[in-house]
Amino acid sequence: DTEVTQTPKHLVMGMTNKKSLKCEQHMGHRAMYWYKQKAKKPPELMFVYSYEKLSINESVPSRFSPECPNSSLLNLHLHALQPEDSALYLCASSLTVGEKLFFGSGTQLSVL
Amino acid sequence: GQQLNQSPQSMFIQEGEDVSMNCTSSSIFNTWLWYKQDPGEGPVLLIALYKAGELTSNGRLTAQFGITRKDSFLNISASIPSDVGIYFCAGQLWGSSNTGKLIFGQGTTLQVKP
Repeated sequence: DTEVTQTPKHLVMGMTNKKSLKCEQHMGHRAMYWYKQKAKKPPELMFVYSYEKLSINESVPSRFSPECPNSSLLNLHLHALQPEDSALYLCASSLTVGEKLFFGSGTQLSVL
Repeated sequence: GQQLNQSPQSMFIQEGEDVSMNCTSSSIFNTWLWYKQDPGEGPVLLIALYKAGELTSNGRLTAQFGITRKDSFLNISASIPSDVGIYFCAGQLWGSSNTGKLIFGQGTTLQVKP
């Protein structure tokens, strides 16, 4: 199993909604990442978890709240988002921090 | 912050032609990665490079890690229609607070005419 699985594939939410993005991998990787990608732009790092602990937060607004319940799961909790937060949200994992990253297929988020 | 200069920005080629794209940086990287991304999907890892001067192939793809550790190129030989997509280079940083950060180039959009 070499997959990073993200759900849902698509999400539409209002600015007052609370939603969560989920990511799962069963490759035994101990580093997991959230990236944000706007159309025709490269992915931008948001958070890095290493051994279930948050190691990097790239000054992301608090309306995005990551959670790593165990070594296989990574969540991104969303609350009071803005329309400019609409983007493709990508989860990735690597064996450890500094190793090559494998990406999921992403969640396309639209904030209305 | 660190930036990668990826060129060309876009390419429109005939099926069967060879393709070359490259990335340069003012910073030294310890790892270079090349990804391909289709619309609405996540980036797929094509090649990973770990040593300066390393030349690695994956089928019709060949990539090299520059001797100075500040550049890398990707070649695609005998292009086919399914090569269409956006190709990203990415450099991986090491050390203190940077370990885990992957810096992406701006991407090269490849279109192949059958």
